[in-house]
Amino acid sequence: GAVVSQHPSWVICKSGTSVKIECRSLDFQATTMFWYRQFPKQSLMLMATSNEGSKATYEQGVEKDKFLINHASLTLSTLTVTSAHPEDSSFYICSARLAGVADTQYFGPGTRLTVL
Amino acid sequence: AQSVTQLGSHVSVSEGALVLLRCNYSSSVPPYLFWYVQYPNQGLQLLLKYTSAATLVKGINGFEAEFKKSETSFHLTKPSAHMSDAAEYFCAVSRGGGADGLTFGKGTHLIIQP
Repeated sequence: GAVVSQHPSWVICKSGTSVKIECRSLDFQATTMFWYRQFPKQSLMLMATSNEGSKATYEQGVEKDKFLINHASLTLSTLTVTSAHPEDSSFYICSARLAGVADTQYFGPGTRLTVL
Repeated sequence: AQSVTQLGSHVSVSEGALVLLRCNYSSSVPPYLFWYVQYPNQGLQLLLKYTSAATLVKGINGFEAEFKKSETSFHLTKPSAHMSDAAEYFCAVSRGGGADGLTFGKGTHLIIQP
């Protein structure tokens, strides 16, 4: 149980285009989902916290107009990278917090974004 | 603010030897601490977590960690390394109360020598 999926697993796009990444909790409801970014051979950095039905909370230094987050249901959150540039190339990982279990997050497998 | 320091970006041990991965934390509130493992091209898998209960926490795959408040440490150990333990290990602290996003250490790459 407690499986989180991401789609797509990898994506290549041209500079200036927008890319949407989906994060789904497959067998549980997640009132809160988190989006992280991982640079090659580095750690994960929290980008934003996404709560179902409300606006996302972004970490300092993360452009909310560039990284649009929507959490429309208890099982789906989306991250849209708008007007992507090569410096946005990274590994994006989501996690979902099991409703009612505050201290446990389940991570998705990640999405590799390459912007040409 | 919370922070995590993992000592040693790479740790190499022989198969069957003790595994010790070090993690020190800084937290302005009672911490919730986690160890995750990441295999190549896979997501993070929770090994174990400390949530203010027992200071010695047992996790999956034979790993355990001890919370030491006086040393602000949460080191991960396994008595006998197996080849399948080779992976990237991340220590993380919750921002507050366990319900918030995590602050991760830089990770330790564990290498198992045959």
